[in-house]
Parts: sequence; C-alpha cells; structure tokens
Amino acid sequence: NAGVTQTPKFRILKIGQSMTLQCTQDMNHNYMYWYRQDPGMGLKLIYYSVGAGITDKGEVPNGYNVSRSTTEDFPLRLELAAPSQTSVYFCASSPRGVAKNIQYFGAGTRLSVL
Amino acid sequence: RKEVEQDPGPFNVPEGATVAFNCTYSNSASQSFFWYRQDCRKEPKLLMSVYSSGNEDGRFTAQLNRASQYISLLIRDSKLSDSATYLCAVNTGTGGFKTIFGAGTRLFVKA
Repeated sequence: NAGVTQTPKFRILKIGQSMTLQCTQDMNHNYMYWYRQDPGMGLKLIYYSVGAGITDKGEVPNGYNVSRSTTEDFPLRLELAAPSQTSVYFCASSPRGVAKNIQYFGAGTRLSVL
Repeated sequence: RKEVEQDPGPFNVPEGATVAFNCTYSNSASQSFFWYRQDCRKEPKLLMSVYSSGNEDGRFTAQLNRASQYISLLIRDSKLSDSATYLCAVNTGTGGFKTIFGAGTRLFVKA
C-alpha cells in the first residue's frame, strides 16, 4: 500500500549543486504534481503532468525541470541550487474521473540549500 | 487579494470545544472544494470534499457558500488528536493542476 513515494526525505545542497528529487506512485494515477511549501505560504505548484510524456509549468517553475517517461515516475530536477529553493517539496498524484481533483501526497523532501 | 485566503490562527481551544474555520476564494468560477489536514512535518491528507449542499463526516461538517465565496469547516467535540493545520483547497477548473491551496489554519486542542 505504498501510494506516493518520495526520495530522499532530507537533503542539504551547496549553492550551485544539482539534484533530482524522485517521486513514484503505484496507484496508476494519470495526474502528477510537484509542489513546494514554504513556512506560512501554502503549497505552490511547480510542475504537473497529465500523463506519460506530457508535462507543463505551474506557478513557480523557474529553476526546476521535470520529465514523465512512465505513468509511475515523475522526477523533479533542480539545476544550480539557490538558497531560495530551500523548502519542503511534495509530490502528489490524482486519478482520472470524478476524483481527479483529489490529490494524494508523498511524505515530502526537506531541502536546504546553503 | 490572494486567490484563497485562510485565517492562519493559531486557534487554541480546550478539548470538547467546537471550532470553525473559514476560507474565502476569489474566483467565482471555482468548481470544487476540499479540506486537507496536515500534521506537523507531514504531508497533507484529504479530510473531506465540500459539496454545495454541505456534508458531514462524524464530528466534521463542511459547508460551501457560493454567494459569499467561502467554505467553512466545523469541528465539534474537539479531540487532542485534531491538533493540526487545516488547508482549504479550491479548484478553478478541471484537473488537480487547477487547485489553489490556502496557507492553512493551525489548530491546537489542549487538555
């Protein structure tokens, strides 16, 4: 009963380093999302995907890239990390049909850029 | 004006109290509405959807007021375990990528 799995749980990066946040879901959901959550600021959508091979920008995409080669996986790439990218990152997914707007979240990745 | 606004709180209430949160939204074309619960340092989890007719799940009641563009969450007989942050979420279109989350309202229930 894994649901949405994110790795790593924690990471410290130096300014200018790059990394990939992994996200995989086993619910066969078509829609997948990446959010960042800063203290007191709510969830901001970075990128989303409506299916394998299809991705699109959300509200705050700068400094990030994504790919969706399979239904299950939706990795988020940070290039040239900056302190402003210090945040908690959540991956989420949702099914098709009437429940398409209900999202299931992974446990999050806490990232610090120093 | 933010698209979705919540009172950040915190709300400090004793066990057994009734507490209500409101969430206002600016897009009158919004189509679906949700309350999520987020425990400290955890991910958000769906608490309940909000329907036009209002809906109840045990001690929790959610209501939608389209005319005034707000949704509400009422918690009766508060438990210590209700302590969390409650996020409202509003869909402005079809698809989860059209979801706007509020910043959340923190609730502390004390013995």
